[in-house]
Amino acid sequence: GAVVSQHPSWVICKSGTSVKIECRSLDFQATTMFWYRQFPKQSLMLMATSNEGSKATYEQGVEKDKFLINHASLTLSTLTVTSAHPEDSSFYICSTERSSYNEQFFGPGTRLTVL
Amino acid sequence: SQQGEEDPQALSIQEGENATMNCSYKTSINNLQWYRQNSGRGLVHLILIRSNEREKHSGRLRVTLDTSKKSSSLLITASRAADTASYFCATDDTGNTPLVFGKGTRLSVIA
Repeated sequence: GAVVSQHPSWVICKSGTSVKIECRSLDFQATTMFWYRQFPKQSLMLMATSNEGSKATYEQGVEKDKFLINHASLTLSTLTVTSAHPEDSSFYICSTERSSYNEQFFGPGTRLTVL
Repeated sequence: SQQGEEDPQALSIQEGENATMNCSYKTSINNLQWYRQNSGRGLVHLILIRSNEREKHSGRLRVTLDTSKKSSSLLITASRAADTASYFCATDDTGNTPLVFGKGTRLSVIA
């Protein structure tokens, strides 16, 4: 299966700072990547769809100015949590899909803790 | 919004027993997938079943799909302590669309 990496794997930051999370598709070019958020003991919720070369599509209730997504290349999408607050503490997971596999490949996730 | 619901929400069994988890969804689908997630870790893909399939096997896993009832089940046979994890079903309606996840079942297998 395809390999997707995320960096960092965990981050602790102070309230009010911005945090950038990288998602890389290591062995194929991904025109589309997805960002999910998972609060403790809850399911994954789709935040946004990241499209290479164009603006991301955000799900209802997700603030696009707070969660900045940049998909500048076919192998890299970044999610920046701006002015992070403790309620943003969560597990953030990205995924890509290779259409021939009809399967999504998930990154290992990034655990964000905002103090 | 979430597509489906898994039940039970939590399941605790003895090692060696079978574990059955169910998933229901609301709209028509292209595929249904099951994932495992160990605590604090990323998702691991277990099995994909297409909308025109009724049953699929992979090792100790057996997945069924009933599109008329909009439901699926995941059976883990001869469970092991290492099977302890959360299990999610996820659906998609066409290719290259995001998955919609159920709430998950937390399985605990006691040695």
